[in-house]
Amino acid sequence: QVQLVESGGGVVQPGGSLRLSCAASGFTLGRYGMHWVRQAPGKGLEWVATITYDGSNKYYADSVRGRLTISRDNSKNTLYLQMNSLRAEDTAMYYCAKGKWELIPSFAVSDYWGQGTLVTVSS
Amino acid sequence: QSALTQPASVSGSPGQSITISCTGTSSDVGAYNYVSWYQQHPGKAPKLIIYDVSDRPSGVSSRFSGSKSGSTASLTISGLQAEDEADYYCSSFTSSTTVAVFGGGTKLTVL
Repeated sequence: QVQLVESGGGVVQPGGSLRLSCAASGFTLGRYGMHWVRQAPGKGLEWVATITYDGSNKYYADSVRGRLTISRDNSKNTLYLQMNSLRAEDTAMYYCAKGKWELIPSFAVSDYWGQGTLVTVSS
Repeated sequence: QSALTQPASVSGSPGQSITISCTGTSSDVGAYNYVSWYQQHPGKAPKLIIYDVSDRPSGVSSRFSGSKSGSTASLTISGLQAEDEADYYCSSFTSSTTVAVFGGGTKLTVL
């Protein structure tokens, strides 16, 4: 069965960096676009970034563009989110999610989600 | 501020039907049939319940249905059950550079 397991969250000071990972199993990662979505404590969902199945195209929310970078290593079945210049407003649970459609973009459709990893930006 | 507008809360009694609206613009909901709905229980990951406006993933109850008129999409839950109490989010593709947007979420209370 499809499983997505995020890791790498933690407490970091403002201006610091973190790299989140999402280990995928139960499907061929290299055939699906993938997303990162975050949820600040007590708040709603916010789309963060999307990467196409082959990594050739990446898309970002305005709030993170230039600071967060999505990438993937299909040979390792892993999705990443490199987070630099972190701010207090980046504090959130970060979910990785699988795009529904094989080989074509599924920007607003995520059929499987991980359980999330918590990032806290605080001094 | 969320790009898509949802009511903050709705409520209904068991057995009743409720509808949650999701209002966007001509750049997202109004332009594309790429609207999805997610259910999220407290402390859990979101679950896809509707995609492409009105399609249901395998395993999702037929009590959940979706529709769209102009720039407003809607989620209807019929025959309300206690386990439907959760937060519901709409999402859409958008022609802006951000490509995907969520609504602010709606808390459903089953009375």
